[in-house]
Amino acid sequence: DSGVTQTPKHLITATGQRVTLRCSPRSGDLSVYWYQQSLDQGLQFLIQYYNGEERAKGNILERFSAQQFPDLHSELNLSSLELGDSALYFCASSTGRGNTEAFFGQGTRLTVV
Amino acid sequence: AQSVTQLGSHVSVSEGALVLLRCNYSSSVPPYLFWYVQYPNQGLQLLLKYTTGATLVKGINGFEAEFKKSETSFHLTKPSAHMSDAAEYFCAVSDFYLGNEKLTFGTGTRLTIIP
Repeated sequence: DSGVTQTPKHLITATGQRVTLRCSPRSGDLSVYWYQQSLDQGLQFLIQYYNGEERAKGNILERFSAQQFPDLHSELNLSSLELGDSALYFCASSTGRGNTEAFFGQGTRLTVV
Repeated sequence: AQSVTQLGSHVSVSEGALVLLRCNYSSSVPPYLFWYVQYPNQGLQLLLKYTTGATLVKGINGFEAEFKKSETSFHLTKPSAHMSDAAEYFCAVSDFYLGNEKLTFGTGTRLTIIP
């Protein structure tokens, strides 16, 4: 158990819909990262938050957004969903103070039908 | 931009044989390098990491990796494969020296163990 909790584990939704994925980081970790894993793109970094502020942005679509709340949990919002958004979405957390590894959650498997 | 290249998307070894998974990196700054393992329907688990100091890094489950700057490599090895090692392995490089800690992953190597 990495200590990072993601909900839900599985999500099936229709094209055009909006979903929210939730992540609770390990106790004490201030940084949260979101990654997307798909067969064609592999593991892609989406976005990082540190203590409520956006720190780094990767290949995140404009239809996607994220935020980190005062209690440090984070949400990834995916809207106007397309079939190609079907993937495994991982959250990871770290202290954010450098020289530390990221701990990954079990992921949310999103299926868009 | 930093990147890693994993040579071989699939590797098969016999139980008890040497495991060698290859990773080469490209980085404009001193790299922080990681190996993660992903078991079916699981998240990623850290096997080992190199930041600074000793170039031979030991990790969990008997794995180790050697950082070779001259070869820009960080290959993962295990002397004797076990059936439980069957999984997908990812090499990654961190942007730590560029101001954040996001990871850039390789495409992964699926390791199959032959009984």
